[in-house]
Amino acid sequence: DIQMTQSPSSLSASVGDRVTITCRASQGINNYLAWFQQKPGKAPKSLIYAASRLQSGVPSKFSGSGSGTDFTLTISSLQPEDFATYYCQQYNSYPYTFGQGTKLEIK
Amino acid sequence: QVQLQQSGPGLVNPSQTLSLTCAISGDSVSSNSAAWNWIRQSPSRGLEWLGRTLYRSTWYNDYAISVKGRITIDTDTSKNQLSLQLNSVTPEDTGVYYCARGLIVGATRSAYYYHMDVWGKGTTVTVSS
Repeated sequence: DIQMTQSPSSLSASVGDRVTITCRASQGINNYLAWFQQKPGKAPKSLIYAASRLQSGVPSKFSGSGSGTDFTLTISSLQPEDFATYYCQQYNSYPYTFGQGTKLEIK
Repeated sequence: QVQLQQSGPGLVNPSQTLSLTCAISGDSVSSNSAAWNWIRQSPSRGLEWLGRTLYRSTWYNDYAISVKGRITIDTDTSKNQLSLQLNSVTPEDTGVYYCARGLIVGATRSAYYYHMDVWGKGTTVTVSS
């Protein structure tokens, strides 16, 4: 199975900040990577797929980059509704696998 | 707008069968551009993909090794829904179960690549006597 490792596991930031979350795959996955946002008690919500393509309806403050094994999610100008847990997920091969999550908290 | 409505019991006895359904609106379970997935989430295992089904003139299923032999994903085209059955459950199977649509977002000559873009709200399942 492909292992997905996110860093950091948690992150404290202030409203208005710009943050970056990193995701590393244990082997190359081309650009078959997605990012999800999850709030407590809710299902994961798709933000980005194909490493950098924004899901319809997602604001452009979210951006993704990377290919191969190293990927990043950047969130600019943090707002209160952005504080959540973020997951990366590879869909290059089965079984699909997820990172362990990055919890973004308000400083 | 695609929506996935999940249903099923929230409590299952150990050694029994966990059964959940996912009713699809706004798309078809037989769509030739989608696959239908089950994923679960628990504090100990995180987000774990369990399996998927898709229709390409016939039905194809793929299952995670961690549950292979215990899992069945089935479909009911007349109701436009998919189902999950997980046999011989233990407390380790406790968690929140999600269904999700996988939409084709990439292709090569040998494979299609599916992004899970729409998720059900989740069903919390506890395995306990």
